[in-house]
Amino acid sequence: QVQLVQSGSELKKPGASVKVSCKASGYTLTSHAMNWVRQAPGQGLEWMGWMNTNTGNPTYAQGFTGRFVYSLDTSVSTAYLQISSLKAEDTAVYYCARDLTGNDAFDIWGQGTMVTVSS
Amino acid sequence: QSALTQPASVSGSPGQSITISCTGTSSDVGGYNYVSWYQQHPGKAPKLMIYEVSNRPSGVSNRFSGSKSGNTASLTISGLQAEDEADYYCSSYKTGRTVFGGGTKLTVL
Repeated sequence: QVQLVQSGSELKKPGASVKVSCKASGYTLTSHAMNWVRQAPGQGLEWMGWMNTNTGNPTYAQGFTGRFVYSLDTSVSTAYLQISSLKAEDTAVYYCARDLTGNDAFDIWGQGTMVTVSS
Repeated sequence: QSALTQPASVSGSPGQSITISCTGTSSDVGGYNYVSWYQQHPGKAPKLMIYEVSNRPSGVSNRFSGSKSGNTASLTISGLQAEDEADYYCSSYKTGRTVFGGGTKLTVL
């Protein structure tokens, strides 16, 4: 069964860092690009960028540069999203999503990881 | 403000057909045949319903169809069912990035 399984919810204080994992199973991680999508509470989907899983080269969307880092560990078929210097406005559900075709068709999604930033 | 414009809400009765529009520009929807549609139920991850304007992934009901004219893409759901009630998002490729619509809440009356 092809799936992406993400790490559990996180509660962090402002200024802290968080690392979200996204483990791929049922397919080879490097065969499809991996995207990250944010959904703030009650809001819509926001594309954060993507990772070329062949080269390990990340591309960051506008607004997700500097504090956001996308990485891979192909030995454990896992993609990571790290956010540093957390702010209250980073509170959201973060999804990883596989690109089926390489043309922005996100066919497999992780279950989402809720990151709450609160003092 | 989202890059792609969708109606905030649409509604229909069981058995009816509804259409959700997604308006962009010649730099995204109008310029590429890389429009996707996602269904999201409350508390759940989005599900791909349509990709590359009109292609359905395996397992998606043929009640769902997609089309495009100029800078506007459309998702049509025929034979509306109670389980279709959800939020729907369009997305498009836009010169090296992906842009989403603001989402449309579908209510089945």
